Amino acid sequence: EIVLTQSPGTLSLSPGERATLSCRASQSVNSNSLAWYQQKLGQAPRLLIYGASSRATGIPDRFSGSGSGTDFTLTISRLEPEDFAVYYCHQYGTSLITFGQGSRLEIK
Amino acid sequence: QMQLVESGGGVVQPGGSLRLSCAASGFLFSSRAMHWVRQAPGKGLEWVAFIRYDGSNENYVDSVKGRFTISRDNPRNTLYLQMNSLRVEDTAIYYCAKTGSSYYYDAWGQGTLVTVSS
Repeated sequence: EIVLTQSPGTLSLSPGERATLSCRASQSVNSNSLAWYQQKLGQAPRLLIYGASSRATGIPDRFSGSGSGTDFTLTISRLEPEDFAVYYCHQYGTSLITFGQGSRLEIK
Repeated sequence: QMQLVESGGGVVQPGGSLRLSCAASGFLFSSRAMHWVRQAPGKGLEWVAFIRYDGSNENYVDSVKGRFTISRDNPRNTLYLQMNSLRVEDTAIYYCAKTGSSYYYDAWGQGTLVTVSS
């Protein structure tokens, strides 16, 4: 099983600032099969990034994904008020699919 | 517009059974693998089960193997999760999720809450 460890657990920033969230895998993720989701309270997750760096349909270009192998990053270039939420990484390169534990992005 | 609507959740005693359903619309259901993902109260996401687009292959997280069965009815555009021998630790919101061009999830249902309690 690939264990995904996200950091930081909580990130406190202000609107307009840049957010950088990390996802580290316990072993290499096949074909960069890594996605990022945003989840707001009481809602289902929403796909942001797949294939490590491809933005999903309708996702603003302030969201970007990067990385390969075992180290992946989600960057939000300029935070908007609606971006404060919990973010999860997800690897789907093996038959045993796993998620990170989540990173909470809160307003400072 | 893609839509997934789960139903069938509720309160059940330990050892009991429930069958969840997920009605799909707005896409070609029979061409997409489907998954169930759960989220315990206040916790993170956990993948539960997968079924291939044609129902020919399934896989499960170890903690539910032998107790849960995923299935699908392509003519009815419906995904199911039969849950037997339920445990307190199965308490969660259960989401059905549609796969994109690979096994990331580009659409999610609103979730259905399963509570296992005596």
